[in-house]
Amino acid sequence: NAGVTQTPKFRILKIGQSMTLQCAQDMNHNYMYWYRQDPGMGLKLIYYSVGAGITDKGEVPNGYNVSRSTTEDFPLRLELAAPSQTSVYFCASFSGQGHEQYFGPGTRLTVT
Amino acid sequence: QKEVEQNSGPLSVPEGAIASLNCTYSDRGSQSFFWYRQYSGKSPELIMSIYSNGDKEDGRFTAQLNKASQYVSLLIRDSQPSDSATYLCAVKGTAGNKLTFGGGTRVLVKP
Repeated sequence: NAGVTQTPKFRILKIGQSMTLQCAQDMNHNYMYWYRQDPGMGLKLIYYSVGAGITDKGEVPNGYNVSRSTTEDFPLRLELAAPSQTSVYFCASFSGQGHEQYFGPGTRLTVT
Repeated sequence: QKEVEQNSGPLSVPEGAIASLNCTYSDRGSQSFFWYRQYSGKSPELIMSIYSNGDKEDGRFTAQLNKASQYVSLLIRDSQPSDSATYLCAVKGTAGNKLTFGGGTRVLVKP
């Protein structure tokens, strides 16, 4: 199993550009999450999904959108990128049982 | 706003000593508590979970929970340089399978 995979690993965007961060998991987990982590800070929940076709906002959803058309994939869309979105983005998944969220390796995004 | 608070550190500990990390949370209804370790440039990894008041030991790690005081702690015994990392406290609140993370405590273990 590859676990949780994220692409790209690094990206530099100009202000106003758009992009999609990809996240996929092969563990058949129902729950998937997107977090952002600013330097020296904890993780903030952006959006999450409890299953295909169901998404909901987290703590910091402004400037982002998500979709969940399949169990495996949970892409995060940034529209009109702003410098405040410079951060490391982590995707995670959870089976709904037990206690562990599995994290992907992260995407480091810089908006200039 | 449900909050989880940690001292940002750095917590400097001599090799072989005990590192003590603290975390407080605001959602009194929280039931599940987790400690994640995050090495620089890497993703978080779960090292401990605790659900009941008292202590839970796993190897060199001990998690302590006091729900009345809304306080959870992590002890690292016989600290090793490889324990140098940021430790994130996470709390699962009453609204679904979502975690709220603290800001993390950076631990430095000096040989």
